[in-house]
Amino acid sequence: DAGVIQSPRHEVTEMGQEVTLRCKPISGHDYLFWYRQTMMRGLELLIYFNNNVPIDDSGMPEDRFSAKMPNASFSTLKIQPSEPRDSAVYFCASSVSGRGGNGYTFGSGTRLTVV
Amino acid sequence: AQSVAQPEDQVNVAEGNPLTVKCTYSVSGNPYLFWYVQYPNRGLQFLLKYITGDNLVKGSYGFEAEFNKSQTSFHLKKPSALVSDSALYFCAVREFSGGYNKLIFGAGTRLAVHP
Repeated sequence: DAGVIQSPRHEVTEMGQEVTLRCKPISGHDYLFWYRQTMMRGLELLIYFNNNVPIDDSGMPEDRFSAKMPNASFSTLKIQPSEPRDSAVYFCASSVSGRGGNGYTFGSGTRLTVV
Repeated sequence: AQSVAQPEDQVNVAEGNPLTVKCTYSVSGNPYLFWYVQYPNRGLQFLLKYITGDNLVKGSYGFEAEFNKSQTSFHLKKPSALVSDSALYFCAVREFSGGYNKLIFGAGTRLAVHP
């Protein structure tokens, strides 16, 4: 099992450009989460999906952010246009449903720098 | 709404000494509680969880956590700290809503183990 795979690991872009972050969850996991981590705000849940359907996007900071999950093995988080304040580490995580105590498996993150 | 609080931003411990990282929770119903660890430039890794049963839960890397219902606490402990335990630690609680569930993370506690 390769775990949750995120790409790219690092992204440096200029303000105003479009940025797309990618995530491949663990096969068989039906939940996918996008988090953002900064020193100032800690770990923030942006959006999560269940069976490819967005369930709660209340954490998405503004309309510049969008996320899709076209199939069970792929999700994207897009920022358009990007701003310097979007600089952060973005994590994807997946889990499997059930009322048991299943935790998350996190990817290694994408470090985004907007200059 | 479910929540967890980590009252300490940082904990400093000498190598070989016992360590405790504190977490308190606020939930309705029975809590599902988790601890995660984040090493530099890595995603969060699952350490241990409490669902039901014994109040003392054992996890990875020699860590354990004690569930205390009367004090609504779930403190992370290790009998003898290692320098390699230095990392960021997150407590989390599972929230169930509308047939879906997600983890609510605390702000994190940075553990520094000194030689």
